[in-house]
Amino acid sequence: EVQLVESGGGLIQPGRSLRLSCAASGFTFDDYAMHWVRQPPGKGLEWVSGITWNSGTLDYADSVKGRFTLSRDNAKNSLYLHMNSLRAEDTALYYCAKGTSSNLYGSFDYWGQGTQVTVSS
Amino acid sequence: QSALTQPASVSGSPGQSITISCTGTSSDVGSYNLVSWYQQHPGKAPKLMIYEVTKRPSGVSNRFSGSKSGNTASLTISGLQAEDEADYYCCSYASSSASWVFGGGTKVTVL
Repeated sequence: EVQLVESGGGLIQPGRSLRLSCAASGFTFDDYAMHWVRQPPGKGLEWVSGITWNSGTLDYADSVKGRFTLSRDNAKNSLYLHMNSLRAEDTALYYCAKGTSSNLYGSFDYWGQGTQVTVSS
Repeated sequence: QSALTQPASVSGSPGQSITISCTGTSSDVGSYNLVSWYQQHPGKAPKLMIYEVTKRPSGVSNRFSGSKSGNTASLTISGLQAEDEADYYCCSYASSSASWVFGGGTKVTVL
């Protein structure tokens, strides 16, 4: 059974940094691209970032480019999102999602339950 | 990145068919067969319902089908059931920004 478990969220002040983690199990992690998708309270989904199976290609939404850094550790079956210079508009439930292919041109077929990030002073 | 355009709400009676539209541009929906649809019940994670415009993942009911014409993709739910009441989001790859873009979401109500 595919499982994605996010952690690392919390209440953080504007301008500070936070690192989210996603622990994956139930599939061959290094065969697939991985993504982060976020959902602000009461709003829709927004793709944040994606990384190919071998970390060869990373893409970011314009809203986070230059502030967020995505990485993965295939030996630990883990995905990470380093978030710097956090803003109030980054407040959201952050989902880890498995891609359907090794590159970034696939859908998101499994999702974790999300980790809440709240940016507020 | 501009969001894809979906109707805010769609409703139907049990057993009826409904269609949700998702309008993009020639840089996203119109250029790639990389449109997917997600179902989200309140307080739950999204679930993939349709990928690559028309394909259904294993385990998804065949009452769900997808299509595309030009810059507009559609999700049709036939034989509407109470458990279909949820929010639905479309998603497409967008070449203009080399990223993925979602629609604003459509709330489906079963009357």
